[in-house]
Amino acid sequence: GENVEQHPSTLSVQEGDSAVIKCTYSDSASNYFPWYKQELGKRPQLIIDIRSNVGEKKDQRIAVTLNKTAKHFSLHITETQPEDSAVYFCAASKMGSQGNLIFGKGTKLSVKP
Amino acid sequence: NAGVMQNPRHLVRRRGQEARLRCSPMKGHSHVYWYRQLPEEGLKFMVYLQKENIIDESGMPKERFSAEFPKEGPSILRIQQVVRGDSAAYFCASSPKSALYEQYFGPGTRLTVT
Repeated sequence: GENVEQHPSTLSVQEGDSAVIKCTYSDSASNYFPWYKQELGKRPQLIIDIRSNVGEKKDQRIAVTLNKTAKHFSLHITETQPEDSAVYFCAASKMGSQGNLIFGKGTKLSVKP
Repeated sequence: NAGVMQNPRHLVRRRGQEARLRCSPMKGHSHVYWYRQLPEEGLKFMVYLQKENIIDESGMPKERFSAEFPKEGPSILRIQQVVRGDSAAYFCASSPKSALYEQYFGPGTRLTVT
């Protein structure tokens, strides 16, 4: 079955710097890769996703890149702000299949003012 | 448009009791997924249901755990004879039929077994 590895487990940056979180997946049939942000005690919220027919997607300060050959994808946050502090999870799934998401273990991002 | 609803938000049970967790999907969504999150860990898939059907329960323990999604009413995750290791946050997510992979999560139920 699918296995998703996520690194780093913790990341601390200064406000205004960029943050990068990386994930690798094992199942080449996976073709949908969402990223979720979870603040302490709250629900995971979908912040951006990418499909395997696209190499990069951007939404304001966040972007996601996908390398299908290497089976890895990354989340990039530019101009970080204290409110970006949260745990970020990557996930992988197969569109057209049953849709259950396989999650990485999460990255705790701390943005210091 | 109300989001995914879960109740209760917090549930305390003694060892051996039963826990019932409820999930109402977003309006227009007919597919429900349950995930478990242990402290400091990611979410683990448990079960996927459509109305009146369990589609995939490969992530759910074979004993003590069951799930249903009746024709009317919320989806229910039931844990019988709870043990301390069941303490976790249980999240449900719903998706539209047209995009099963686009999942929107509820606020979770935090189960504590004492």
